[in-house]
Amino acid sequence: ETGVTQTPRHLVMGMTNKKSLKCEQHLGHNAMYWYKQSAKKPLELMFVYNFKEQTENNSVPSRFSPECPNSSHLFLHLHTLQPEDSALYLCASSQAGSYEQYFGPGTRLTVT
Amino acid sequence: AQTVTQSQPEMSVQEAETVTLSCTYDTSENNYYLFWYKQPPSRQMILVIRQEAYKQQNATENRFSVNFQKAAKSFSLKISDSQLGDTAMYFCAFMKEDNNNDMRFGAGTRLTVKP
Repeated sequence: ETGVTQTPRHLVMGMTNKKSLKCEQHLGHNAMYWYKQSAKKPLELMFVYNFKEQTENNSVPSRFSPECPNSSHLFLHLHTLQPEDSALYLCASSQAGSYEQYFGPGTRLTVT
Repeated sequence: AQTVTQSQPEMSVQEAETVTLSCTYDTSENNYYLFWYKQPPSRQMILVIRQEAYKQQNATENRFSVNFQKAAKSFSLKISDSQLGDTAMYFCAFMKEDNNNDMRFGAGTRLTVKP
């Protein structure tokens, strides 16, 4: 379970705060993903990076800003979030051309 | 757009019994992959089993097997000899063959295995 790590595991932030979520993969993969998991809803794909280049952005509000400095690290910068953004944010990685994604444990975000 | 539907938000099963989780999907694609992922409480999501749409034979992984009905667009998961460690959220997922960055998930089924 240490192939993909995420920090912090829990985060409580006010609507005016700025925070960042971090993801690191130790699997040598070259694609990384951010998902949002809300209760009783399908996982929502937010961002995809292939070889550090963003290839997917599924209409995510600009208050979420991803950053991928290298193929092992992925960040999600958060600012002026809304209470409805409270959710579990999952990071995943995969090898380009492979169908299997490996998930991190997630960051439980609460926006107050 | 592809959609994945899991019609059972919650299910329970007695230890050692068999349970089947349902999943249907909607697509116009002919070539794709289907997956079942398991998310135990407070633990990471892991792949349980996958099925390639071009394969007629149903996939099997130890106690886990699928019933893939391509014409009906149905992909159910059967867990045999249920164990307490099978308690988890189970997600059905779909991926087109030509876009393996875009995985679509269902809303999940919460399975509880009772002793």
